Amino acid sequence: DAGITQSPRHKVTETGTPVTLRCHQTENHRYMYWYRQDPGHGLRLIHYSYGVKDTDKGEVSDGYSVSRSKTEDFLLTLESATSSQTSVYFCAISDRTGITSETQYFGPGTRLLVL
Amino acid sequence: AQKVTQAQTEISVVEKEDVTLDCVYETRDTTYYLFWYKQPPSGELVFLIRRNSFDEQNEISGRYSWNFQKSTSSFNFTITASQVVDSAVYFCALSEEGTSGSRLTFGEGTQLTVNP
Repeated sequence: DAGITQSPRHKVTETGTPVTLRCHQTENHRYMYWYRQDPGHGLRLIHYSYGVKDTDKGEVSDGYSVSRSKTEDFLLTLESATSSQTSVYFCAISDRTGITSETQYFGPGTRLLVL
Repeated sequence: AQKVTQAQTEISVVEKEDVTLDCVYETRDTTYYLFWYKQPPSGELVFLIRRNSFDEQNEISGRYSWNFQKSTSSFNFTITASQVVDSAVYFCALSEEGTSGSRLTFGEGTQLTVNP
C-alpha cells in the first residue's frame, strides 16, 4: 500500500470557521492531489501539486486553497467552511515520472461535516 | 471536456454469478488512460487497473477481466463467479494528461452488491 495518511479522519465544524486538512506521504512522490467525493458526482478534483510550491486548480477549486511547503505534505484549507463543503475528501499521490502517465493512489479519506 | 458515464447506478447479483460493469467515456485526446478503482464499504479507494488508449487487448486478472473497445469508447469490467467480498462501489476514471500532471475524471460509480 502507498504510504499516504490523512488527518484528521473525521471532523465536525461550524459554518464560517477555517479548516485545514493534511495529507502526508512517505513515498517521496512529486505529484499530489485533493479530491472530494459526493453522492451522484463520483470524485472531483479540487487542487493538485506537481512539486514543492507548485500547485494548480482542479474542477471544483472555489472556496479552497492549498499549500505544499515540502514534498511529503499537501494541505487543503477551507478558508470559511460552508455546508456545501460537507463531503469526503481524498488525497492522492502518483507515481508519475517524467512525461509518462501515472497511477494515482489514494489516502483513506477525511469525512468533513459542516454544520 | 472529458466525461465518464457509468449508467448502472446499482447492481445486485447472487454469489457465483458473472457481472459486467459498464463504462463509457468521452474525450478529444488521442492519448489517454482509463482506470478502474474499487471502494469497499470501509471507504478506501483501491486501484484495480490502468489501460492506455493504444492498447486494446483485453486483460484478465484472476476473476477480473476488462474489455476496452475504442470504437465504442467503452471500458467494461467483468467479475466472473462473483463473491460477497466483491461488494463495493466501482469507479471508472479517465485521465487528462498535462505537462504538470494528469487530472482524473471519474464516473459516478456503480454500487455492486453480491448476495450470498
